Order: sequence, then C-alpha cells, then structure tokens
Amino acid sequence: DAKTTQPTSMDCAEGRAANLPCNHSTISGNEYVYWYRQIHSQGPQYIIHGLKNNETNEMASLIITEDRKSSTLILPHATLRDTAVYYCIVRVVDTGRRALTFGSGTRLQVQP
Amino acid sequence: ETGVTQTPRHLVMGMTNKKSLKCEQHLGHNAMYWYKQSAKKPLELMFVYSLEERVENNSVPSRFSPECPNSSHLFLHLHTLQPEDSALYLCASSQDSGSYNEQFFGPGTRLTVL
Repeated sequence: DAKTTQPTSMDCAEGRAANLPCNHSTISGNEYVYWYRQIHSQGPQYIIHGLKNNETNEMASLIITEDRKSSTLILPHATLRDTAVYYCIVRVVDTGRRALTFGSGTRLQVQP
Repeated sequence: ETGVTQTPRHLVMGMTNKKSLKCEQHLGHNAMYWYKQSAKKPLELMFVYSLEERVENNSVPSRFSPECPNSSHLFLHLHTLQPEDSALYLCASSQDSGSYNEQFFGPGTRLTVL
C-alpha cells in the first residue's frame, strides 16, 4: 500500500471548516483513499473513502486531486466532538488484502 | 455504538495469569480482526480471520492466541504476558466481499500487565 504523509497536528475553530491534508504521491491506479478517525480512547471510526472522484457523505467531504497524489478531508462545520486523530490510509481493495495500515495521523483540536 | 462489542473494557493482569479478551459483532460480517495500539504508536494489525479461518498473522508472539469459533465471535487468549504488552486491544469486523471493506471497530480493551 502507498505511504501517506499527514501533518502531526492542526487546530480549528468551532463552527469553521476543518481541512485535513494528506499526501500520497506514490499512489497507484487501483488504490483507494480512506479516512478514519479515532476519538480519545475509542476505536477508530470510518469516515469516507474514494478512488478518484470527490465524495461527500453526512460526516465529511473528500477532495482528491486530479493526479491523485494528494487529498483533503473537509469537515464543513467542526464541533468540539470532532477533536480526534484523523488517519489517511491508501490501500488496494481485494479479497487477499484486508487489513488497514495506520500511520500516525493528524491530531485535530477543535477550539471553542 | 458500532455493532462491535468488546469485553472486558479494562483488564489488569499479572505476568503469570491467563486471561481472554472477547469480541462480538452484530453486523453479519464475515471477517474479524485484532489490532494492538501501544502508547504513542500507530495501530498494529495482529490477526485477521475470514470465514472463521485465520488468513493473516503479523508475527505476533505465541503468548497471544486467537480463536474464532464462528463468524460473530473472536477471542484473544493471553498467557505469560510481559509489561510491554500493556496496550489498547481493538477488535474490528468487515464484510469480506472484495469491495470497499469498511471496518467497524469496537471500543477496545485497555490491558495493563503488571
């Protein structure tokens, strides 16, 4: 799976959009971009994933650049409950490779 | 509530004890996972089961012994652990259909080895 690079930490004001970047310059054509988050002392939670098109769900939006070498997770109106570590994971989806490889992620602190 | 439960939530054990961690998923999934999260380290995959068969084992010491009696239950049997095994142990499940494979995690068991 392609390696990802994320900032160690970010701050965001409550009510504002949080934009979390991820660099995956070695991504290959059959690798998806996944985002998970982990609130303190809980298990990780799936947020969103995409291949090459931008995606949106009730939690967030995922913007993938045209060359697919980077992406941005957008939380449109951050709340204090969005304070967590956010993981960007790139992986091939097939039946022979099931596990997720977590890096260090970005620690997002939403400030009141 | 993710549909994946883990018991106990907290466990303190001595190095000579034998204990077991339990995971149950209520999602109808057919793949289950054990991950370990040590302090200030990324999550590490330990074991993967698909259709009750172990399909991945990430060089985990034999003092950790997994068991998957059916697709809804996963155990991690612990014996003669070391203090460095203290960590958060997370269970996850997914539908192993070869598609997006979103994983649902339980809340974890916080293990302390004295």
